[in-house]
Amino acid sequence: DAGVIQSPRHEVTEMGQEVTLRCKPISGHNSLFWYRQTMMRGLELLIYFNNNVPIDDSGMPEDRFSAKMPNASFSTLKIQPSEPRDSAVYFCASNLAGDTQYFGPGTRLTVL
Amino acid sequence: LAKTTQPISMDSYEGQEVNITCSHNNIATNDYITWYQQFPSQGPRFIIQGYKTKVTNEVASLFIPADRKSSTLSLPRVSLSDTAVYYCLGVAVDTDKLIFGTGTRLQVFP
Repeated sequence: DAGVIQSPRHEVTEMGQEVTLRCKPISGHNSLFWYRQTMMRGLELLIYFNNNVPIDDSGMPEDRFSAKMPNASFSTLKIQPSEPRDSAVYFCASNLAGDTQYFGPGTRLTVL
Repeated sequence: LAKTTQPISMDSYEGQEVNITCSHNNIATNDYITWYQQFPSQGPRFIIQGYKTKVTNEVASLFIPADRKSSTLSLPRVSLSDTAVYYCLGVAVDTDKLIFGTGTRLQVFP
């Protein structure tokens, strides 16, 4: 298996623009997690899905952030409009039934 | 409020044993405590997880006391390639949310 796949690996955008991050979990996994990592706040869980259904989105910073999982093999995290303070590395992870989480390589987002 | 803290950094030399402790004052009693390793520009990678007492695998050991208010990752005979940031992960009993520790940057010297 190729592992968790994220795209793009790097994204540079201007404040106010819409940003969409993509994730393909490991085939057969039924849970998907979105994390954000910054120097100041470390790794934070934003939202997670179980069987494509959002279970806990309490970590989503504000209404500018939204996440979807239309099927078992794809999820998106969208920021609209983006702000400089959203600059961070965003990780997607997946697992099966509460087992070990496998992380993707991350998307480094820079908002100018 | 659950809090998970780790030493910011540790230094070691090749061949030594390294113990990294994570203090978690309010981790759920019925969930695993997991440790991850992260290299620059990569996602965290699973090392080991345990529920209580001691767990050992091919790369590390994990010690969890009965009160589960801390856990210690033990890396035997570290090498230069073990230089990375190490995180503990647990479920906070008050929020039922997954929380990562603050991370410990381990530097291994030759």
